[in-house]
Amino acid sequence: QVQLVESGGGVVQPGRSLRLSCAASGFIFSNYGMHWVRQAPGKGLEWVAVISYDGSNQDYRDSVKGRFTISRDNSKNTLYLQMNSLRPDDTAVYYCAKEKGVLPYFDSWGQGNLVTVSS
Amino acid sequence: EIVLTQSPVTLSLSPGERATLSCRASQSVRTFLAWYQHQPGQAPRLLIYDASNRATGIPARFSGSGSGTDFTLTINSLEPEDFAVYYCQQRSNWALTFGGGTKVEIK
Repeated sequence: QVQLVESGGGVVQPGRSLRLSCAASGFIFSNYGMHWVRQAPGKGLEWVAVISYDGSNQDYRDSVKGRFTISRDNSKNTLYLQMNSLRPDDTAVYYCAKEKGVLPYFDSWGQGNLVTVSS
Repeated sequence: EIVLTQSPVTLSLSPGERATLSCRASQSVRTFLAWYQHQPGQAPRLLIYDASNRATGIPARFSGSGSGTDFTLTINSLEPEDFAVYYCQQRSNWALTFGGGTKVEIK
């Protein structure tokens, strides 16, 4: 069965960096687009970034453009999110999510990884 | 950015009752809309995609309808495990957006 396991979260000061990882198994990772979705405390879900199946295309929500970078290593079945210049409003549980076929819906999710940006 | 507005914010119902959840888009998303169930502390689960298609393994009591700007998720005969927060999500435009959620709680 599909498994997505995030790691790399924690507490970080404003302006610092953090890298999240998402280890995938149970499916052919290199065939699917992958996303990061986050949920701030007490808030709803918010899409963050997408990367195509082969890593050739990426897109981001405006508030993270220029600060976050999504990448993948298909040889390691791993998705990444490099987060720089972190701000308190980036505090959230971050989920990696797999696309449903070629459609940008999310049919499998990780359990989530909390990132807290605080001094 | 397409804004999705869900209503009501909270729905208080008893097991066995029918739940009707609404999602309204700020502009047409055609039928490019999904519904998710989110239990506290768990990963969200895809229920419905492209407005009316049930995802793999989703019980028949969940159904979706609508097109354009108005969409509905119906849960027939609520089971105890159905009490959760439900989100809609559109794929018509980048950036992908979610609604604010509807919490279905036990009355």
